[in-house]
Amino acid sequence: QVTLKESGPVLVKPTETLTLTCTVSGFSLSNAGMGVSWIRQPPGKAPEWLAHIFSNDEESYSTSLKSRLTISKDTSKSQVVLTMTNMDPVDTATYYCARCPVGYYGSGRTPYYYYMDVWGKGTTVTVSS
Amino acid sequence: DIVMTQSPDSLAVSLGERATINCESSQSVFYSSNNKNYLAWYQQKPGQPPKVLIYWASTRESGVPDRFSGSGSGTDFTLTISSLQAEDVAVYYCQQYYSSPCTFGQGTKLEIK
Repeated sequence: QVTLKESGPVLVKPTETLTLTCTVSGFSLSNAGMGVSWIRQPPGKAPEWLAHIFSNDEESYSTSLKSRLTISKDTSKSQVVLTMTNMDPVDTATYYCARCPVGYYGSGRTPYYYYMDVWGKGTTVTVSS
Repeated sequence: DIVMTQSPDSLAVSLGERATINCESSQSVFYSSNNKNYLAWYQQKPGQPPKVLIYWASTRESGVPDRFSGSGSGTDFTLTISSLQAEDVAVYYCQQYYSSPCTFGQGTKLEIK
């Protein structure tokens, strides 16, 4: 059974750095056919994709948030970590990690993530002083 | 970024009736090299994460009831629930994964009439 579980602080102050951990089970982060994305969802709004990490440690980021995000993984611990700097109240949201099937394109075998097939339950983060 | 626009924003349908949700992308999400549309549909119930229903525009995820179906190509897509059940009350989102960043529609809230 594939599961993902998010963990991290419930409350952060403006300007602080948020660090979230996604612990996965039922699949390996070294599996070339799978990767992990982070997605957030403000209350009452649509999901917003943030970042993705592939099995070869390649990273992909949201255009608008790229300067604030870093995604990494520890395959031996089955964990994916997302850091977001300079937190603001508008970053208040439920943060999810999700598994994504991965495809490869071109002669260079460029990886690309697809849809999110398994989601964690999410962790709610409030940004407030 | 590709913009995904859903219609309507909300929808009320009687039990047993058909529900139809539309999704339009600002550019084509069809990849001719493999003849696939990079479009997924998700269902989200209160307090739960989104759950994938349909991917590649029309492939039903394992375990999803066959009353859910997806259609369309290029820039226009439809999610159809053939006979609405009470447990289908939820918010539905479309998502394109043709180009990064992947993007979601604003959501359609489905209720019982």
